[in-house]
Amino acid sequence: AQSVTQLGSHVSVSEGALVLLRCNYSSSVPPYLFWYVQYPNQGLQLLLKYTTGATLVKGINGFEAEFKKSETSFHLTKPSAHMSDAAEYFCAVSAGSARQLTFGSGTQLTVLP
Amino acid sequence: DTEVTQTPKHLVMGMTNKKSLKCEQHMGHRAMYWYKQKAKKPPELMFVYSYEKLSINESVPSRFSPECPNSSLLNLHLHALQPEDSALYLCASSSGGRLSNQPQHFGDGTRLSIL
Repeated sequence: AQSVTQLGSHVSVSEGALVLLRCNYSSSVPPYLFWYVQYPNQGLQLLLKYTTGATLVKGINGFEAEFKKSETSFHLTKPSAHMSDAAEYFCAVSAGSARQLTFGSGTQLTVLP
Repeated sequence: DTEVTQTPKHLVMGMTNKKSLKCEQHMGHRAMYWYKQKAKKPPELMFVYSYEKLSINESVPSRFSPECPNSSLLNLHLHALQPEDSALYLCASSSGGRLSNQPQHFGDGTRLSIL
């Protein structure tokens, strides 16, 4: 079984400030981890994924995430927030032969001018 | 622009109507999914098709009937829906295969309202 916990349902940052969205996972087998972003009235867009290999993963729009096995974490960061980053962010895990994604509850990011 | 196309974008229907949602992808993906998403919640998996065969049904009520006519198309037939079925319905696809490391690609969804 696998699960994802996103700490903080709402995060607010000032434009230009660091963005940090937290994600912790639980999995009995090596996990595959994903971050998705959802803008209003749109579907989910893949930001980045961790499968194997390098633990620091770079994604689109300047986002990156670091896989830390010892902490079972996959936090999403961006050095400088932009107004266009305001959206809902979902962390997700899949593991083993199942093709199912298990989503976290989501974090709404607000960027203040 | 998303590579998974869903139609219609919006649908309003009465509880006695029959309608269908459509999803199309041309990425050669062999796994396709239907999700239901309520406001401010993560998507909930409904159905998974793998190589055009239904592989997962997450105990979805029979008023939702999926169909996969070919590897590029996925339909969701709706009949006698309830007001609580109002939601955003998302379609997704992935390259399939035995390993689950391939990301799912989502369409923009159909926003369904039941009167």
